[in-house]
Amino acid sequence: ETGVTQSPTHLIKTRGQQVTLRCSSQSGHNTVSWYQQALGQGPQFIFQYYREEENGRGNFPPRFSGLQFPNYSSELNVNALELDDSALYLCASSKGQGGLAGGGGTQYFGPGTRLLVL
Amino acid sequence: AQSVTQPDIHITVSEGASLELRCNYSYGATPYLFWYVQSPGQGLQLLLKYFSGDTLVQGIKGFEAEFKRSQSSFNLRKPSVHWSDAAEYFCAVRGSGGYQKVTFGTGTKLQVIP
Repeated sequence: ETGVTQSPTHLIKTRGQQVTLRCSSQSGHNTVSWYQQALGQGPQFIFQYYREEENGRGNFPPRFSGLQFPNYSSELNVNALELDDSALYLCASSKGQGGLAGGGGTQYFGPGTRLLVL
Repeated sequence: AQSVTQPDIHITVSEGASLELRCNYSYGATPYLFWYVQSPGQGLQLLLKYFSGDTLVQGIKGFEAEFKRSQSSFNLRKPSVHWSDAAEYFCAVRGSGGYQKVTFGTGTKLQVIP
C-alpha cells in the first residue's frame, strides 16, 4: 500500500509569484485535506476535497485554491504569494466523508512541502 | 467551534521515566480524537485515535490515551520513554459528521534526556 506523497519537498518563491503543490493520496482514499503549518505552530486547515469537489474550507483567502483529480490526487495553488505564506504545507488523505464504515475518516499525512517566500 | 488546547509547550523527561501529555478539547457533540507525532522536518504520524467504545486507547510505539468526557480531556501516556520518542506531539479533534475538518492543538515538544 502506497502512502501519501507530496511534491516538491522544498520550494523557494518570491513575493507575488504563484505556486502549485501536489499530493498523491493513499491507495483507496478519496478525500484529500490540505493544511498549513507555520513554524512552531500546529497545522491549520485550508480546505478539503471529496470526489473532486471542495466540501470544506478554513479561514484562508481565495488566493488559496485547489483541485482534486479523478484519481483522487490533488493540487494546492497559491496566488500572489506573501511572506507569511512561508510554511510547511501538509496533505492528508482519508477514506470517505466520515463515520466508522468509512474508517472514521482517519487522515494520513504526507511528508509535506516546505515553502519559503522571499 | 471545535478547539484543542495543549497546555504544555515543552516537556523534558529522563529516558525510562513515564510521560503524560495533556490535551483538552472543545466540541459540542461526541468527538473523534487523535494524537499525532511529528519528527523535525517531517509530516505527521498517527499514534492513536478514539472514536467510541473503550475510553482507554492503545496506539503504536507503546503509547496509550484515555478519553474522559467529564473533563473534556484526551491525555497521552507512555510508561517508559525512549530517546527516540523526542519529537513534537499534536492532539487533534474532528467532528463525527461528514465534514472532516480536523483541528489541531499547538503541540507539545518532548525532549528526552539520558
